[in-house]
Formats: sequence, C-alpha cells, structure tokens
Amino acid sequence: NAGVTQTPKFQVLKTGQSMTLQCAQDMNHNSMYWYRQDPGMGLRLIYYSASEGTTDKGEVPNGYNVSRLNKREFSLRLESAAPSQTSVYFCASSESPGQMIAKNIQYFGAGTRLSVL
Amino acid sequence: AQSVAQPEDQVNVAEGNPLTVKCTYSVSGNPYLFWYVQYPNRGLQFLLKYITGDNLVKGSYGFEAEFNKSQTSFHLKKPSALVSDSALYFCAVRDRRAAGGGNKLTFGTGTQLKVEL
Repeated sequence: NAGVTQTPKFQVLKTGQSMTLQCAQDMNHNSMYWYRQDPGMGLRLIYYSASEGTTDKGEVPNGYNVSRLNKREFSLRLESAAPSQTSVYFCASSESPGQMIAKNIQYFGAGTRLSVL
Repeated sequence: AQSVAQPEDQVNVAEGNPLTVKCTYSVSGNPYLFWYVQYPNRGLQFLLKYITGDNLVKGSYGFEAEFNKSQTSFHLKKPSALVSDSALYFCAVRDRRAAGGGNKLTFGTGTQLKVEL
C-alpha cells in the first residue's frame, strides 16, 4: 500500500518556467491538501480539496493553481515560477471532510524539493 | 482564526532522560489537537491526537501528550528518550466548530528534537 505518492522528488526550475507537481493517493480518501514547508515557517496550506470536484484556497495560494483530476489525484501547478517558491512541497490526504475527527488524520507524501533559480 | 505556537526551535535531551516538546494553541471554540513527526527527507507522520475525554493521550513510539485547557497547551512527552527519537516535531490544531471545507489544520513552526548519547 503506497499511501500518498508525490512526483517528482526533486526539481530545479529557472524563473518564469512552469511545472506541475503530481500527487496520488490509494487510500480512497475524499480530501487532499497541498502544503509548502519553509524553514522557521512550519507548514502552510496552499490549496485543498475537500472532496472530488471542489478546490479551495488555503493560506498562501498566490502563484499556484490546482486540479483535482479525480478522487485519487490532486496536482499543483506553478505557472511562472519565482525564487520565492523555492520550498519543499507536501501533499496530504484524509478520509473525510466532515466532523468525524477520527477519520480526519492527514497522511503525507514524502515531498517534492523545488529550487527556483 | 486558529494558531499554534511552538516556543522552542530546538530541544536537546540525553538518551534515557524524559523529554517535553511544548505547544500552545489558540482557537475560537474547543480544539482538536495533533502531533506529527518528520524524519529527515520524509513526509510528516501522525503521532497522536486529542479529540475529547482523558487529558493524557497516548500515541505511537511511547509518546504521550497532555491537554491542558486552562493553559491552552498540548505538550508532547516521553518518559525515556531514545536517539532514534531525534526528528522534527509539529503540533497542529483544528477548531472543533469548523464545518465542511475539509479538515484544515494549522501547524506550528516545528521543534527539532535532538537526543544525544
């Protein structure tokens, strides 16, 4: 059982280039999330998808777009990369968007380390 | 709005000694509280959660956390630290009253735990 799989693991971009970070989960979870992790900042939510067909902005959505392709897959796109987007990006998923907190533990992928030069 | 504070960037402890990693939170209502651990070059792993009930919550790898409503704290503890416990620890909170919109967690900035022989 792979859990949450992110690709690629590493990426170097030049300023202005675009790319898509891929995320897939095989746990039949409804909700998926994209975070960025920066030193001294902890994890900050970029976008999330409470359920298939919906997406919403998180704390730091500027410069990013997302697509919930199906229940399994949630991609993050950088249309025009900037050095400020150099970070480690994590995808996560959880079972249910509702109030059943026991089902709302988030499971994380191994991350994508992105450098924008 | 919800927030989490982890006042210590790093905690050093000798193997065999008890450890405490501090966390305080702020939410409008009652909280759901979580601890996650991150090993180098890995995603976050769930350790334990507080939903309701006993203030002392037990989790994976011998860790436990104590919920203190009056002090709005949720400190992570372990009676006897191991070198293998060395990792980055994150506290997270969700307002219990938050409805729909996925399970948006707010993470602290993380505390690096270093356990030495």
